[in-house]
Amino acid sequence: GAGVSQSPSNKVTEKGKDVELRCDPISGHTALYWYRQRLGQGLEFLIYFQGNSAPDKSGLPSDRFSAERTGESVSTLTIQRTQQEDSAVYLCASSSWGQGGDTQYFGPGTRLTVL
Amino acid sequence: GQNIDQPTEMTATEGAIVQINCTYQTSGFNGLFWYQQHAGEAPTFLSYNVLDGLEEKGRFSSFLSRSKGYSYLLLKELQMKDSASYLCAVRNTGGFKTIFGAGTRLFVKA
Repeated sequence: GAGVSQSPSNKVTEKGKDVELRCDPISGHTALYWYRQRLGQGLEFLIYFQGNSAPDKSGLPSDRFSAERTGESVSTLTIQRTQQEDSAVYLCASSSWGQGGDTQYFGPGTRLTVL
Repeated sequence: GQNIDQPTEMTATEGAIVQINCTYQTSGFNGLFWYQQHAGEAPTFLSYNVLDGLEEKGRFSSFLSRSKGYSYLLLKELQMKDSASYLCAVRNTGGFKTIFGAGTRLFVKA
């Protein structure tokens, strides 16, 4: 079946504009995660959704960041009033509990550049 | 606080064995993962440990000691395609939140 998909693959925006990033998880995966990865650095946890439970938003860096997920489907990550420091690759992953724990399957990422 | 430490870079020779270490201090523990990430690509799953001991999967093995907060990834018969970053990640208890280390960049030379 299809893997995790993200759109757009690249986004260039001007400082102060809002951007919306989209993630389509693997069908049937109950958990969905957003991470940020700055150039040459590790993954920074942002938020995760698990089924109908309240999302864990503890990694969101500021109130300019928000995310939504409808049921167990598509998620959108919104960054308002973008800043140059928001430039990074935003990775989405989905998982379902199984023998390997909750192995996360990552999408290709959205490379965000804020000018 | 929460902290995951890995060496920044390692270099090894094709055909050799390399061990990448990871130490962690986290608020609870509910599993440790290793992911491989080639430059410009998304991470892909390598291994999962939740109990102490060694998990072997082909050329790759992963070890965990929960009492020491320590894990390692062992790569045997290194190939050039193994040149990548290797990410250690720990899942906290009480949920699915996963904390990633900064990764170890492995360079395999001929």
